[in-house]
Order: sequence, then C-alpha cells, then structure tokens
Amino acid sequence: KQEVTQIPAALSVPEGENLVLNCSFTDSAIYNLQWFRQDPGKGLTSLLLIQSSQREQTSGRLNASLDKSSGRSTLYIAASQPGDSATYLCAVEGNTDKLIFGTGTRLQVFP
Amino acid sequence: NAGVTQTPKFQVLKTGQSMTLQCAQDMNHNSMYWYRQDPGMGLRLIYYSASEGTTDKGEVPNGYNVSRLNKREFSLRLESAAPSQTSVYFCASSSGAQPQHFGDGTRLSIL
Repeated sequence: KQEVTQIPAALSVPEGENLVLNCSFTDSAIYNLQWFRQDPGKGLTSLLLIQSSQREQTSGRLNASLDKSSGRSTLYIAASQPGDSATYLCAVEGNTDKLIFGTGTRLQVFP
Repeated sequence: NAGVTQTPKFQVLKTGQSMTLQCAQDMNHNSMYWYRQDPGMGLRLIYYSASEGTTDKGEVPNGYNVSRLNKREFSLRLESAAPSQTSVYFCASSSGAQPQHFGDGTRLSIL
C-alpha cells in the first residue's frame, strides 16, 4: 500500500530564506507526483505536476524534483515571502487515477 | 470562472440525521472525486467517478453513498451521520493527465 510522508510537519522561517520541503513515498511505481498549496479554510491549489518520466518542474520561484528510484521529491521555494505561508501537500498518483496524499507541511514565513 | 462549487459550506448535524453534500464543476471534466480531510490524516479518497454513470469506492467509503447525476454534478450522501464523520469534505474534478481542481470544502460537524 502506497504511503506518503512529508517532513517537516511545520516550518517557520524569516522572509527571504530559500527552503526545501520533503516528500517521500514507499512505492516507486507512480504515474506522477503533484504538489499542492492549501490556504486556511480553502481548497487545494495545484502548484506543480511531475510526470514519472521527468526529473523536475519549475514555476516561478518554485522548483520540484523527483527521484522515483529513491521514492523522494523535494519542493524548493526561493526567496520566500509572507504570502507563501500556507500548507503544502504532496500527492502521488498510481495507475488507478487516484491520488495518495501526505499530511502536509505547514509553512509560516514572517517579515 | 466558478471551477468546482460545493454546497453547503458549513453544516451541523445530529447523530443519525442524513444529508447530501453537493458538488458541481463547470470545466467539462470527466473525473470527479470526494475526499475527507482530518487533522493528522491528510486527504483520503471516499469515492470517485471516472465518467458519467460510473462510481468506485476509494479508501474510506463506509457510511457514504454517491451519485454522479450528470457530467457536471457529483453528490455525496450520509444516510445516518455518526460523530466519526465530522470532517472537512472536498470535491475535486480532473480530465486526462491534468491536475485535480478542488472546491473550497464543506465543514461538517456531527454532534
């Protein structure tokens, strides 16, 4: 059974820092890996989707990498801003069109 | 652009009552999903529908029923609510290899 783990569970950093959020999964037979952002009281917003054949994806200050063989992904946020404060969720999709989610990393960026 | 719309946003029920959570999407997506989100548990799939007229169980289907009324609408029904079903419920939709789009959730408390 696929399990997804995110470390750390919470992170508090000053504005301007570069940060790395980690995601690990137990079954490397994935179709893709996705990173989402969730603001308090809101639904999830897709940030990046990495297909299993890809190594990384970039969008603005965000860069996500995927190492399928080791069951790991990282989300790199450059020059963090207070507006980046949110919970970041990682999810993997197998060949069944279903997403398995991690429990998230709650990020606070203070001025 | 409404995206995925969930109603109601909040609901309080008594144990044993029934209710239906509504979800509608205007993106012409084939697949729709119902998740629940609990503290420390991440999002867990309750039911999903790969296309109009089809539904399948997810990870935690017990105590729930679903109806894919048409391509736009996917409802979740609690026949006899239990305190263990207190949660935040999210509906999502997707098409092809694209990321899932989420609604803002329904916060359900069962006393």
